[in-house]
Amino acid sequence: EVELVESGGGLAQPGGSLRLSCEAPRFSFSNYWMNWVRQAPGKGLEWVATINQDGSEKFYVDSVKGRFTISRDDAKNSLCLQMNSLRVDDTAVYYCAKGWGRDWGQGTLVTVSS
Amino acid sequence: DIQMTQSPSAMSASVGDRVTITCRASQAINNYLAWFQHKPGKVPKRLIYPASSLQSGVPSRFSGSGSGTEFTLTISSLQPEDFATYYCLQYNRYPPTFGQGTKVEIK
Repeated sequence: EVELVESGGGLAQPGGSLRLSCEAPRFSFSNYWMNWVRQAPGKGLEWVATINQDGSEKFYVDSVKGRFTISRDDAKNSLCLQMNSLRVDDTAVYYCAKGWGRDWGQGTLVTVSS
Repeated sequence: DIQMTQSPSAMSASVGDRVTITCRASQAINNYLAWFQHKPGKVPKRLIYPASSLQSGVPSRFSGSGSGTEFTLTISSLQPEDFATYYCLQYNRYPPTFGQGTKVEIK
């Protein structure tokens, strides 16, 4: 049973932008902290960003601070990751995760290349 | 940042073997630790959360233990479907940090 569905990945040039979305067709977002986690090719898992239930607290890994923005729209049951000033080393599969990894989306591939 | 050091980084094992993976934190994390299994092309699956509590639906051959800075994931009798990469995650303090992973391969 699919709980989380990501979209928005693709190819971007260095310095470009992408907006990832994560939707939950079958449960209400509003009760959960939500996270983005990524895995670069051949590498391990890396936590990227967290947002609390009401969006008042946001945390980022240092390497994306000032470039990525996490947001949520509970009315639409949607989580977003706005990625600006993309770098080659942002290339990865990006997953959204409910809480501390209880459920994960299927992942969306972001490729940053010229 | 809290560093999570997993060992070993890779291992070969046979079906039926007992497998132990260790994760050491650079500072105490109050048992705020989870273990994940990740297979190629699949979504990570949480096995243990927190520290020693088995996730619902996960086979009882998986167990977690430890406290403070040292934690262990044990597979009591390795099954063919258990060949995968395993990660620990500390969520005691931001930024949350994963261990580098332990790849369990078939001997």
